[in-house]
Amino acid sequence: IAGITQAPTSQILAAGRRMTLRCTQDMRHNAMYWYRQDLGLGLRLIHYSNTAGTTGKGEVPDGYSVSRANTDDFPLTLASAVPSQTSVYFCASSETLGRGTFFGQGTRLTVV
Amino acid sequence: QKEVEQNSGPLSVPEGAIASLNCTYSDRGSQSFFWYRQYSGKSPELIMSIYSNGDKEDGRFTAQLNKASQYVSLLIRDSQPSDSATYLCAATSNTGNQFYFGTGTSLTVIP
Repeated sequence: IAGITQAPTSQILAAGRRMTLRCTQDMRHNAMYWYRQDLGLGLRLIHYSNTAGTTGKGEVPDGYSVSRANTDDFPLTLASAVPSQTSVYFCASSETLGRGTFFGQGTRLTVV
Repeated sequence: QKEVEQNSGPLSVPEGAIASLNCTYSDRGSQSFFWYRQYSGKSPELIMSIYSNGDKEDGRFTAQLNKASQYVSLLIRDSQPSDSATYLCAATSNTGNQFYFGTGTSLTVIP
């Protein structure tokens, strides 16, 4: 079934550790996104990629980095996790930037 | 002020009624607007996209856009209990590279 796969589905992480959230899509979409969702704040864009080889900053990029080596994969890295990064993280994709997006199942991350 | 504002609800409607969900946005240059449905513990699901003024209908859903008033709405006709979810409104920036989501409106359809 075509779609977006995120891994892991949940993770408890010690503060200060490095963590990479994985995201793979098989829809050949050009644009990909990472969001975090927090109660009362809604979904906020962390980083996006217009096409393979390019990335851009969203609304809340600090503490996160991304790469887009190919069309299908868009990993999100937390270099040194902090408790405020406890959230549900969603990877998403769309045919082109600015069009309707399709979301992965989410990764629930707890930083302790 | 958030870029996209929604009434958080909760909104309750009886089964078979019309549910009306509203959203305002602050970036006058926004070009694209979306409605997502999110069930508890699940990921958001795209249900409507609208890019020009007026109405767009898809089955029981109608999205309405008024750029002059910076207002987007979603009507759900013949509401069903399975429509009970949180509905998220989203708008792109004028450059199209930023997405702004509202915090969502919780809808409950009462059988």
